[in-house]
Amino acid sequence: QTVVTQEPSLTVSPGGTVTLTCASSAGPLNSAYYPNWFQQKPGQAPRPLIYSTTNKYSWTPARFSGSLLGGKAALTLSGVQPEDEAEYYCLLYRGGGWVFGGGTKLTVL
Amino acid sequence: EVHLVESGGALVQPGGSLRLSCAASGFTFDNFEMNWVRQAPGRGLEWISYISSVSSTKYYADSVKGRFTISRDNTRNSLYLQMNSLGAEDTAVYYCARGATLFHFDYWGRGTLVTVSS
Repeated sequence: QTVVTQEPSLTVSPGGTVTLTCASSAGPLNSAYYPNWFQQKPGQAPRPLIYSTTNKYSWTPARFSGSLLGGKAALTLSGVQPEDEAEYYCLLYRGGGWVFGGGTKLTVL
Repeated sequence: EVHLVESGGALVQPGGSLRLSCAASGFTFDNFEMNWVRQAPGRGLEWISYISSVSSTKYYADSVKGRFTISRDNTRNSLYLQMNSLGAEDTAVYYCARGATLFHFDYWGRGTLVTVSS
């Protein structure tokens, strides 16, 4: 059973830059895992941000970007806003199913 | 506008069964794959099941395999999840999510709460 690991928590200052990562116990990630990123705020459904590693939705703010970094999927927030405080989840496709990471709680302080 | 609305969540006793529904609107339902994702209270997201657009392919997470059954009725624009042999570990908010090209989930419902307790 693949385990997907994210940083449990990160803190960033308003206006700063932060990178969240997503790693798989099965080995280095590549584009064939089609990494997705979601933002979730308390009491709300997850909001998709990034799909297939780098692709944004029409509603994804420009300050969010996705990439592969050293065998991990990465979500970078540049120019962080207070409203970016939330839980962030990655999602990987594993052929016959998907696996979510445990989530990263991002605090903007 | 795409809309997904889950229903059917309830308080159910351990060992019991429940059927969840997801009503879809604002898009051509039978062109899209669908998924169920759940979230236990205070916990992370867990993908649990997938169904292809014409029901030819279904996938399940190990945690629900053999107990849960995903289905859809394209004539009613509806997705279902039949849940049997429920245990406390199945207590969660259940979301339906639309599947799209390149293996992503682009639209989600607001979820329905299932509580398994005696």
